[in-house]
Amino acid sequence: QQQVKQSPQSLIVQKGGISIINCAYENTAFDYFPWYQQFPGKGPALLIAIRPDVSEKKEGRFTISFNKSAKQFSLHIMDSQPGDSATYFCAASGQTGANNLFFGTGTRLTVIP
Amino acid sequence: EAGVAQSPRYKIIEKRQSVAFWCNPISGHATLYWYQQILGQGPKLLIQFQNNGVVDDSQLPKDRFSAERLKGVDSTLKIQPAKLEDSAVYLCASSPRGVLNTEAFFGQGTRLTVV
Repeated sequence: QQQVKQSPQSLIVQKGGISIINCAYENTAFDYFPWYQQFPGKGPALLIAIRPDVSEKKEGRFTISFNKSAKQFSLHIMDSQPGDSATYFCAASGQTGANNLFFGTGTRLTVIP
Repeated sequence: EAGVAQSPRYKIIEKRQSVAFWCNPISGHATLYWYQQILGQGPKLLIQFQNNGVVDDSQLPKDRFSAERLKGVDSTLKIQPAKLEDSAVYLCASSPRGVLNTEAFFGQGTRLTVV
């Protein structure tokens, strides 16, 4: 059972454009929603994270939008750059029980010059 | 601050052989995770340790996988015997003690190919 569903599977964006990746979850016990960035041959690295008490969080060119009622959250990358080309994973975890992360299936982003 | 160290980086074995992976977490991090990442998929938790105790191993195929974390620091993950479907990247991650829902720091992973 996929706890976190992610789309699209792949995304191609022109340099300077906006990249948008969407995720949805079912478990209402989740209360921490990070996004991880992974380059080939590397482990995932935390990019930005949000908790459900806010609807949006922005860090530089990266913004998470969170819709608690719809159980959806998304990552927006403004002014996308070729260096942003990587695989992005959304994830979720909850305070009850083991606080392990449930990952989405990943989005391979390619930013073309 | 040194990151999460894993070895080896790559391993190729034949099916039915055994293999072991090693992880050294960030100093002071009490929580250690092993994740399996199959090509084209997101990481899936295999086992979570808090110090040297197991918190969650519900997704660990215990008939062939085992893991230990002696003295609450380094950890090893073993597969015996390996199957073709075990081909994946095995990621180790750690996070600080006693803090829920905080950043998990990942190592570079061990890429296992079973032939």
